[in-house]
Amino acid sequence: GAVVSQHPSRVICKSGTSVKIECRSLDFQATTMFWYRQFPKQSLMLMATSNEGSKATYEQGVEKDKFLINHASLTLSTLTVTSAHPEDSSFYICSATGEGRGETQYFGPGTRLLVL
Amino acid sequence: SQQGEEDPQALSIQEGENATMNCSYKTSINNLQWYRQNSGRGLVHLILIRSNEREKHSGRLRVTLDTSKKSSSLLITASRAADTASYFCATGPDNTDKLIFGTGTRLQVFP
Repeated sequence: GAVVSQHPSRVICKSGTSVKIECRSLDFQATTMFWYRQFPKQSLMLMATSNEGSKATYEQGVEKDKFLINHASLTLSTLTVTSAHPEDSSFYICSATGEGRGETQYFGPGTRLLVL
Repeated sequence: SQQGEEDPQALSIQEGENATMNCSYKTSINNLQWYRQNSGRGLVHLILIRSNEREKHSGRLRVTLDTSKKSSSLLITASRAADTASYFCATGPDNTDKLIFGTGTRLQVFP
């Protein structure tokens, strides 16, 4: 199988602080990683696509200076929520695809962010 | 929004019954995928059907795709309480590797 992990699984922070979420592919090289956010009882909304070694491509309406994405290696991508506010509270999920994996995206378990 | 729609939004059935979920999408696609999400968890890939395929099976799952109607269905046969989850369709638009998710169906299977 293909395993993707996320860390932390849950984080509570104060308004104005920055939070970094890590997404790792454990047993394959992830050429592309995707970041989604999901509000309660809603669907996943794609935030950005990141390819190893290049700048992330953000979806319309997603602020790139607010949600910093770094994909420095084939196994790690990070999402930093800068100057977090309560409205940033959400479930953030990453996924990854890689060579030989076809079109299937393998999802991490998600990170629940609560901004007080 | 490019997001697809699923119906029903919620479905409650008894164990042993079949569950059918429908998905409609808006753009031309390379493939359509179905995922399952248990509450508060990540997504698990169930099945992928390509745009040139009409039907696919995997265990108790049966997926159909009608590209002329831009719709797909997921049938779970002989449902079990453990099938309780949210189910999402996701489309892979032409020339991209990203996925656009549908609104999801919350399935509850009562023992």
